[in-house]
Amino acid sequence: QVQLVQSGAEVRKSGASVKVSCKASGYSFTSYALHWVRQAPGQRLEWMGWINPANGNTKYSQTLQGRVTLTGDTSASTAYMELSSLRSEDTAVYYCAKDGAVFGAAGSFDFWGQGTLVTVSS
Amino acid sequence: EIVLTQSPGTLSLSPGERATLSCRASQSVSGNYLAWYQQKRGQAPRLLIYGASSRATGIPDRFSGSGSGTDFTLTISRLEPEDFAFYYCHQYINSPRTFGQGTKLEIK
Repeated sequence: QVQLVQSGAEVRKSGASVKVSCKASGYSFTSYALHWVRQAPGQRLEWMGWINPANGNTKYSQTLQGRVTLTGDTSASTAYMELSSLRSEDTAVYYCAKDGAVFGAAGSFDFWGQGTLVTVSS
Repeated sequence: EIVLTQSPGTLSLSPGERATLSCRASQSVSGNYLAWYQQKRGQAPRLLIYGASSRATGIPDRFSGSGSGTDFTLTISRLEPEDFAFYYCHQYINSPRTFGQGTKLEIK
């Protein structure tokens, strides 16, 4: 069965960086895009970007461009999201989510990680 | 960017009743690439509907989606106690992918 298991909660100071991992199993890791979505307290879900694990190609939300970096390790079937220059507004639960369609088609997010709470304190 | 607006913000109903949730897009969602997710407190979202009207694997048939263009609806025919949660619509054809602000379905 498909599973996405994320790393544990993190606490950072303003200006620092954080890196969250997402380990995939139960499907071909290199055949589907992996998206990152965050949810600040009481806010709607916000798409951050996606990565093609097969070749490392990425696409980022314009609002986070320059601060977010998505990478992948095919040997470990693991994706990573690094967010830099953290500010209080970045306090949120961060999710990885598998695209439901193979590359070349648009897919909804059919499986999600359990979420990682990142807290940014000043 | 496609802005998705959901209504109502909160829907208060009793088990056994029918729920109708709305999602309106600021521009047409081509190909009806519109999904619905259910989220319970402290949990990740769960895919219910994709392609505006196709049920995801394992989703009960009391959940149905309809609509096209800019107006979409999620209907829950007979509410079960486990259906009381938050619901989000999501368009996945345009970049950036966007979500609605959510509808809270609560027990009356």
